[in-house]
Amino acid sequence: GQQVMQIPQYQHVQEGEDFTTYCNSSTTLSNIQWYKQRPGGHPVFLIQLVKSGEVKKQKRLTFQFGEAKKNSSLHITATQTTDVGTYFCAAPGGGADGLTFGKGTHLIIQP
Amino acid sequence: GAVVSQHPSRVICKSGTSVKIECRSLDFQATTMFWYRQFPKQSLMLMATSNEGSKATYEQGVEKDKFLINHASLTLSTLTVTSAHPEDSSFYICSARTPVGSREQYFGPGTRLTVT
Repeated sequence: GQQVMQIPQYQHVQEGEDFTTYCNSSTTLSNIQWYKQRPGGHPVFLIQLVKSGEVKKQKRLTFQFGEAKKNSSLHITATQTTDVGTYFCAAPGGGADGLTFGKGTHLIIQP
Repeated sequence: GAVVSQHPSRVICKSGTSVKIECRSLDFQATTMFWYRQFPKQSLMLMATSNEGSKATYEQGVEKDKFLINHASLTLSTLTVTSAHPEDSSFYICSARTPVGSREQYFGPGTRLTVT
């Protein structure tokens, strides 16, 4: 079935440094979504990318969808302690648009 | 925005018993809901798609007789873990998608199941 590879699994950064997580699929994706899960919480939708080469920004977060619609990235500029959590990419892959999630990148910020 | 609730938030049960988890869409109708399972420090794995008024669709490797899903109304889906065993201990999360518009899924807060 559909697989979405996500790296890195863990990322330690100093507060104020940038952070990037990458997702890769062997097949062309109709869309890709990004979620954030705080420790002990549930996934919260951040954004959906649909178009080839699409770039979207939300304040310090920049999301990109590759030209071939097989890869995506999330970049956070000047991380803050509130950015701590696990960031997941997800793509349609289960029945009736159930999502296949990447393994997630755990962002750990050292003050 | 759309709100999805789950009940209970935590449950501890003895091995061999059954546990029912409810997932409700509070301010919209959801013809389709999804059930995921998440083990500690791991990703979410789709278990099944719950369809209002029809049988659920299970992902490969998920036992339909063990994880009973009932989508009795447009706002309620239930997951019953039957004859629970310690290896069923996990975080169970449901999500619902609004019937029109974006494909955004709204996730419930999750239910942490511990089987002793």
